[in-house]
Amino acid sequence: SSELTQDPAVSVALGQTVRITCQGDSLRSYYAGWYQQKPGQAPVLVIYGENNRPSGIPDRFSGSSSGNTASLTITGAQAEDEADYYCNSRDSSGNHLNVVFGGGTKLTVL
Amino acid sequence: QVQLQQWGAGLLKPSETLSLTCAVYGGSFSGYYWSWIRQPPGKGLEWIGEINHGGSTNYNPSLKSRVTISVDTSKNQFSLKLSSVTAADTAVYYCARGGVGAQVSYYYFYMDVWGKGTTVTVSS
Repeated sequence: SSELTQDPAVSVALGQTVRITCQGDSLRSYYAGWYQQKPGQAPVLVIYGENNRPSGIPDRFSGSSSGNTASLTITGAQAEDEADYYCNSRDSSGNHLNVVFGGGTKLTVL
Repeated sequence: QVQLQQWGAGLLKPSETLSLTCAVYGGSFSGYYWSWIRQPPGKGLEWIGEINHGGSTNYNPSLKSRVTISVDTSKNQFSLKLSSVTAADTAVYYCARGGVGAQVSYYYFYMDVWGKGTTVTVSS
């Protein structure tokens, strides 16, 4: 089955823009979903589809995709954005449908 | 607003069977995929498997031999059983609602509603 690869850690200065990337073959057919997870909490969906935000997600979060790479961009990062971020997608490369997650990116807001 | 409430045994001995249930409140059960995901301490998310309203399942190939996911549509509940557990199965287990769609020339998949998580520890 396919895998999704993320950088383990990224940092950004308060108020600046940061991009978190996710690479994998499944992303040539599926947009990534992006999830924010803070310590001790369940993940929260922040971006899905081409660039859709669920209700309540600030518009500083945006998504994009090109080839086998999906990106989550936070424009004007806030202290509360410090968290782990995971991408996921469907994987239909094998005989069965699967769901795959990236390994996660720890975002530090300086 | 859809909510997922999950429960199950939190402490197991090696070789026992993990059993968790997730109830869906406030929304339709049909039209979605209902997943189990786990997260070992200090590690990332791992998808275990999913079931839809009709009972069709998909499992993570690495766990498939030990996993059974079932659904009780009369109660809007779905359940996870993981057999022959070991210490490596120690994790927080989440249930989640999954949806699919298409946009432009791509498909998309997302998990928009999550349970709070159940900590499962396997120890002798």
